[in-house]
Amino acid sequence: AQRVTQPEKLLSVFKGAPVELKCNYSYSGSPELFWYVQYSRQRLQLLLRHISRESIKGFTADLNKGETSFHLKKPFAQEEDSAMYYCALSFQGAQKLVFGQGTRLTINP
Amino acid sequence: NAGVTQTPKFQVLKTGQSMTLQCAQDMNHEYMSWYRQDPGMGLRLIHYSVGAGITDQGEVPNGYNVSRSTTEDFPLRLLSAAPSQTSVYFCASLSYPGELFFGEGSRLTVL
Repeated sequence: AQRVTQPEKLLSVFKGAPVELKCNYSYSGSPELFWYVQYSRQRLQLLLRHISRESIKGFTADLNKGETSFHLKKPFAQEEDSAMYYCALSFQGAQKLVFGQGTRLTINP
Repeated sequence: NAGVTQTPKFQVLKTGQSMTLQCAQDMNHEYMSWYRQDPGMGLRLIHYSVGAGITDQGEVPNGYNVSRSTTEDFPLRLLSAAPSQTSVYFCASLSYPGELFFGEGSRLTVL
């Protein structure tokens, strides 16, 4: 069965420190993975997708098929990064997305 | 361009009551879906639709009904509300490849 696991419900770091939000998945096929973010009082929105291999707001995520991971990283956290982050796995021709449990990231000044 | 619009934003029901959460999108997306968000559980797929007249069950479909008569609308019906259905509900439409556009959410409390 398809599954996405985010082991940390809460993560708190200081401004300027590196951030890593962990995501592990289980899927027998070729995965398409995404990170979604929900800022306070805003809609859930796409942050980045692995196929684009892009950096958005300083965040990057590399798909590691050997470790079945898609961790989200940023070298220097900013206060505006405080939000709820969800890792998601797409399958069945992108018709279904399975989400992880979410990690609430708090950046302390 | 409104994107995905959900109504109502808040609702309180008594056990056994029925209600419909409305969802409309103006992006001409074929795929639409409903998720519920619960603390520690993430987002779980309730039902989804790949086009008008076509719906299918997601991970947690029990207690919910959907229909898709038009491309724009995808209402979610609770037939007999239960306290376990207290949650925040999100409607979303999909733009390939995998970008979901979400509504603002509907917070439902069942007493």
